[in-house]
Amino acid sequence: DVKVTQSSRYLVKRTGEKVFLECVQDMDHENMFWYRQDPGLGLRLIYFSYDVKMKEKGDIPEGYSVSREKKERFSLILESASTNQTSMYLCASSRPTGLAQPQHFGDGTRLSIL
Amino acid sequence: SQKIEQNSEALNIQEGKTATLTCNYTNYSPAYLQWYRQDPGRGPVFLLLIRENEKEKRKERLKVTFDTTLKQSLFHITASQPADSATYLCALDNQGGKLIFGQGTELSVKP
Repeated sequence: DVKVTQSSRYLVKRTGEKVFLECVQDMDHENMFWYRQDPGLGLRLIYFSYDVKMKEKGDIPEGYSVSREKKERFSLILESASTNQTSMYLCASSRPTGLAQPQHFGDGTRLSIL
Repeated sequence: SQKIEQNSEALNIQEGKTATLTCNYTNYSPAYLQWYRQDPGRGPVFLLLIRENEKEKRKERLKVTFDTTLKQSLFHITASQPADSATYLCALDNQGGKLIFGQGTELSVKP
């Protein structure tokens, strides 16, 4: 079975801290994605990556960066956390999109910035 | 701008009935559409994919339709069960491998 694992289910950090969210997939998928999910706003794409060391901005990249040094791991970095980044963060992976592939999600990290 | 709308209100139905969820989109011509299920505190789980040249797709008690003229997809759960209670998300491809998700419809099936 496909498995996407996010390092933490719950995380509490302080304003101004640098925050790392980790995601690992075991399906050898090329594509990986980071979303945030907020009530009333749905899932919004922050960044995605279609290959190692490759990244592309999604719809809301401001305040975030990503790193993909290995195919199975995709990290989301909050450079200087702010309270408006309190949210549920979801990681997903998929095979190359030309094949109209579904995305496989982790169970999310609920991040609170105090 | 591109917009996706799902039933904004929660849908409450009786066990055994058919649940019908709606996904409408504007300013958009997706090549395919996907439906996901999300339980509280969990990530979305893929259910079905339907391509623009397919009118209907079925999987067990699930049925999805895709009308590119109306710019609408309908998601049906027949013989619904309390275990079907969850939030259902539709998502459309935005080319380049990205998906745009609707806000989701919360379904509650009462015994």
